Amino acid sequence: GQQVMQIPQYQHVQEGEDFTTYCNSSTTLSNIQWYKQRPGGHPVFLIQLVKSGEVKKQKRLTFQFGEAKKNSSLHITATQTTDVGTYFCAGHGGSQGNLIFGKGTKLSVKP
Amino acid sequence: DAGITQSPRHKVTETGTPVTLRCHQTENHRYMYWYRQDPGHGLRLIHYSYGVKDTDKGEVSDGYSVSRSKTEDFLLTLESATSSQTSVYFCAISELEGGYTFGSGTRLTVV
Repeated sequence: GQQVMQIPQYQHVQEGEDFTTYCNSSTTLSNIQWYKQRPGGHPVFLIQLVKSGEVKKQKRLTFQFGEAKKNSSLHITATQTTDVGTYFCAGHGGSQGNLIFGKGTKLSVKP
Repeated sequence: DAGITQSPRHKVTETGTPVTLRCHQTENHRYMYWYRQDPGHGLRLIHYSYGVKDTDKGEVSDGYSVSRSKTEDFLLTLESATSSQTSVYFCAISELEGGYTFGSGTRLTVV
């Protein structure tokens, strides 16, 4: 079945450093979504990318969807302690199946 | 998030007892989902619903059943709780291929 792989599993950075997490699907996706989960909290929807090669920005966060619609990335510029949490990608398969989540990248930021 | 609530927030139950978790939404969304979240496994879909009385299985449905008799309520029942069902359970709502809104979660411990 469809799988969504996410790397790295953990990332520890110094405040002010950049951070990137990568997401790869075994099949072509109709769209990709990104979520953030703070420690002890629930996943919160950040953004959805639909078009091949799409790039979207939210302040210090940059999201990309690959040309083949099988991979995506989230880049955070100049991390802050408020960025701490686990970032999940999730993709819908082309058959409009259910959303398949990656296992997430847990980000810790040292002040 | 406003518009989706889960109850109870915490529950401790004994092995072999039935348990029902409730998800209630005020958004009138068609789709509702139950996920479980465990360390190392990310978010895994248990069951989902695409309308009143319309439900289907996810990837980890064994030992669970669901019901949706009203648009706003989606119930998850553990027929006979086992220790392997100790987890954090999240309900989510969405429109087709839109971003998911998650509830605050239910932390279930089976002893």
